[in-house]
Amino acid sequence: RKEVEQDPGPFNVPEGATVAFNCTYSNSASQSFFWYRQDCRKEPKLLMSVYSSGNEDGRFTAQLNRASQYISLLIRDSKLSDSATYLCVVSDTGRRALTFGSGTRLQVQP
Amino acid sequence: DTEVTQTPKHLVMGMTNKKSLKCEQHMGHRAMYWYKQKAKKPPELMFVYSYEKLSINESVPSRFSPECPNSSLLNLHLHALQPEDSALYLCASSQGPSGGVGEKLFFGSGTQLSVL
Repeated sequence: RKEVEQDPGPFNVPEGATVAFNCTYSNSASQSFFWYRQDCRKEPKLLMSVYSSGNEDGRFTAQLNRASQYISLLIRDSKLSDSATYLCVVSDTGRRALTFGSGTRLQVQP
Repeated sequence: DTEVTQTPKHLVMGMTNKKSLKCEQHMGHRAMYWYKQKAKKPPELMFVYSYEKLSINESVPSRFSPECPNSSLLNLHLHALQPEDSALYLCASSQGPSGGVGEKLFFGSGTQLSVL
């Protein structure tokens, strides 16, 4: 089983749609969780950290479910500029490094 | 507008060449990383330096040799690479020692490497 698993997509959605991505992780000792965004041929950029209580940043909402070991990202009112690959990232203190999921590709269409 | 600077942006090299990738950050970060990313795959960790000491080597072949001359600089020396080593090489930094809770990575824009 992969340490961090994501649905690769692609998710093709119209502008204005709401879309949700899930990510599951295998290590119950994981402590920190992030969503990164990566545009084609560019570097990953931090989108948001994910906190136990859930957190929101504008149109983006992240949730963490420790009991079920998954995190989610909800994007409301999708924009064309949201088209990218969204990477779920989990910290593994045993390994002292971050582990990346394989990413979920989002294509927002006009 | 990344604060982690990588050079060169593109590199083409033959299998007998020796080249180096360079990375620089001036955010006072104490951990620096090399990742390798193939097309449509996630970044794969290669090396981590924490306080200028190599703390993680993910069983990377010896044809890749990292170097951390000081807290702001990270190099990756390349020698006798294979065509399958062609990839995007990403440098990243984080504030504290690697693996700290809440670590956030800041990536450079990468070096697109092609090995002929």
